[in-house]
Amino acid sequence: SAVISQKPSRDICQRGTSLTIQCQVDSQVTMMFWYRQQPGQSLTLIATANQGSEATYESGFVIDKFPISRPNLTFSTLTVSNMSPEDSSIYLCSVEERLKGGSDEQYFGPGTRLTVT
Amino acid sequence: AQKITQTQPGMFVQEKEAVTLDCTYDTSDQSYGLFWYKQPSSGEMIFLIYQGSYDEQNATEGRYSLNFQKARKSANLVISASQLGDSAMYFCAMRETSGSEKLVFGKGTKLTVNP
Repeated sequence: SAVISQKPSRDICQRGTSLTIQCQVDSQVTMMFWYRQQPGQSLTLIATANQGSEATYESGFVIDKFPISRPNLTFSTLTVSNMSPEDSSIYLCSVEERLKGGSDEQYFGPGTRLTVT
Repeated sequence: AQKITQTQPGMFVQEKEAVTLDCTYDTSDQSYGLFWYKQPSSGEMIFLIYQGSYDEQNATEGRYSLNFQKARKSANLVISASQLGDSAMYFCAMRETSGSEKLVFGKGTKLTVNP
């Protein structure tokens, strides 16, 4: 299975600042996904990042707030801009892996736990 | 409408016993995939098991099995021989292949394994 790392693992930030989260995969993947998990909640997809094209954002998420880069097939960044306490969440990147035999598996990075004060 | 429903906010099980975590889903697609993830308090999402809608046999991975009942649109996770380390949040998710490739998650079930 794909091995995914994220940096930073956690951070405490002041409101109004921005944080860039990095996601690195040990193999080339077509699609990378960024999810948010607010405290006590389930995961919600922010956007899908394909290499060489603009990210596709879900309803309620905009590029100005969550700009995403996807410079190659193993790396992506998510920036949380102009942060407010409501942005305090775990942010997770994810990749899809289609295995021989038709099985689809989707793996997540360890997450970035963000607290905004 | 909610696509994934997990009706058990919390479940308790004795160590070494089996437990079933419920998940029902709603889709009009013929082709879709169902996933279960474990999230310990550390926050990482650990992939447990996958079931494709066309798979005729229930998926199994070690102590995890998925009880897939397509007509009822249910995909319950069965954990056999529970261990203390199984205490965590468990999320059911679905991916519809006709649309985007995104996963839609249920609200989760918090499992506590008692010694």
